[in-house]
Amino acid sequence: KAGVTQTPRYLIKTRGQQVTLSCSPISGHRSVSWYQQTPGQGLQFLFEYFSETQRNKGNFPGRFSGRQFSNSRSEMNVSTLELGDSALYLCASSRAGDTEAFFGQGTRLTVV
Amino acid sequence: QKEVEQNSGPLSVPEGAIASLNCTYSDRGSQSFFWYRQYSGKSPELIMFIYSNGDKEDGRFTAQLNKASQYVSLLIRDSQPSDSATYLCAVNKQAAGNKLTFGGGTRVLVKP
Repeated sequence: KAGVTQTPRYLIKTRGQQVTLSCSPISGHRSVSWYQQTPGQGLQFLFEYFSETQRNKGNFPGRFSGRQFSNSRSEMNVSTLELGDSALYLCASSRAGDTEAFFGQGTRLTVV
Repeated sequence: QKEVEQNSGPLSVPEGAIASLNCTYSDRGSQSFFWYRQYSGKSPELIMFIYSNGDKEDGRFTAQLNKASQYVSLLIRDSQPSDSATYLCAVNKQAAGNKLTFGGGTRVLVKP
């Protein structure tokens, strides 16, 4: 059974640009959540999507947004990139009704 | 006060010994509790979850939850060098869905 797949694995962007990251959940999983991991702040929750609707949201600015498609795949977008957005972005999937979440390999974003 | 607190370590353990990791949380409404293992440069891997007070064993791992005292612990028996990693405690306050709040992690070093 395939795990959570995130693409791309690595990205380098310039300040002010925008970026879109993709996440394909484990087959049968309908919940996708996104996290940011940095050395200073650790792992922080961004948002969760379930059945194409945002179900939970963290404390990040509106530059961070996401969406989920009917096949449960999800994308997150960061607009007007700042140097502080450099981080490992992780997505996690879980079955409907379960709270055990399984992480993908992550996307390492570097903003220069 | 952080919502989820862990000793950052490193926790140095001889091979074959028991590693004991602790985690405290501040929100009494927390519903479910998770332990993730993260190797350097990799994404978090779910190793244990616990929802009810008491102990839960899975192989060499035992999770213990005490909601009255607001702590959750992880015991690793017969520690192996391959157990050397950062262990992340995560708490979910949601009855439905995933919005994990993570501690900063405890780094464990198992010495042969």
